[in-house]
Amino acid sequence: AQSVTQPDIHITVSEGASLELRCNYSYGATPYLFWYVQSPGQGLQLLLKYFSGDTLVQGIKGFEAEFKRSQSSFNLRKPSVHWSDAAEYFCASRYNQGGKLIFGQGTELSVKP
Amino acid sequence: SAVISQKPSRDICQRGTSLTIQCQVDSQVTMMFWYRQQPGQSLTLIATANQGSEATYESGFVIDKFPISRPNLTFSTLTVSNMSPEDSSIYLCSVEDGPGTEAFFGQGTRLTVV
Repeated sequence: AQSVTQPDIHITVSEGASLELRCNYSYGATPYLFWYVQSPGQGLQLLLKYFSGDTLVQGIKGFEAEFKRSQSSFNLRKPSVHWSDAAEYFCASRYNQGGKLIFGQGTELSVKP
Repeated sequence: SAVISQKPSRDICQRGTSLTIQCQVDSQVTMMFWYRQQPGQSLTLIATANQGSEATYESGFVIDKFPISRPNLTFSTLTVSNMSPEDSSIYLCSVEDGPGTEAFFGQGTRLTVV
């Protein structure tokens, strides 16, 4: 069955430091991949998406993600974290155009001054 | 991108009662979905709200517990029936413009059942 794994439940980084959040998907073919952010008390906001083409995708708020087929990964990165980036981050995938959206368990990001 | 309004944003309900959550979209959309996010957990799809027909429920969710309406292309409701404390969750409405496109989410309804 299709699944998405986010190995890190909670990550703490210092403000200004770089960030990488890990995401692995289980489906063999190239799925549709997404990263969402959920701030406290808010819904989910789309950061970026990958459907095909260039494996490095740029998103909003300075985030980027790289699709690596050989590792079945779609890790989210940001070169310099801001305190306002503290939130819950969800990786999601669907294995075909009409497929169900499957979410990872989420990674809670804390930012220390 | 679609703008989604959910009401209520939060509620505290007595066990055994029912709560209806509304989802209004600012444009006509093909697909609407309802998700549940239990405390500290990820999102789980409850059902797909189909316009003009019955909703399609995921495994583990049934119509008697979570009746859904979708009278038109911009509006849907989810009812949580005969609530118990285990139903305490965030319920989120989501829309997609078409198959394979990104999903947009409402702000969610935080439900506490006491």
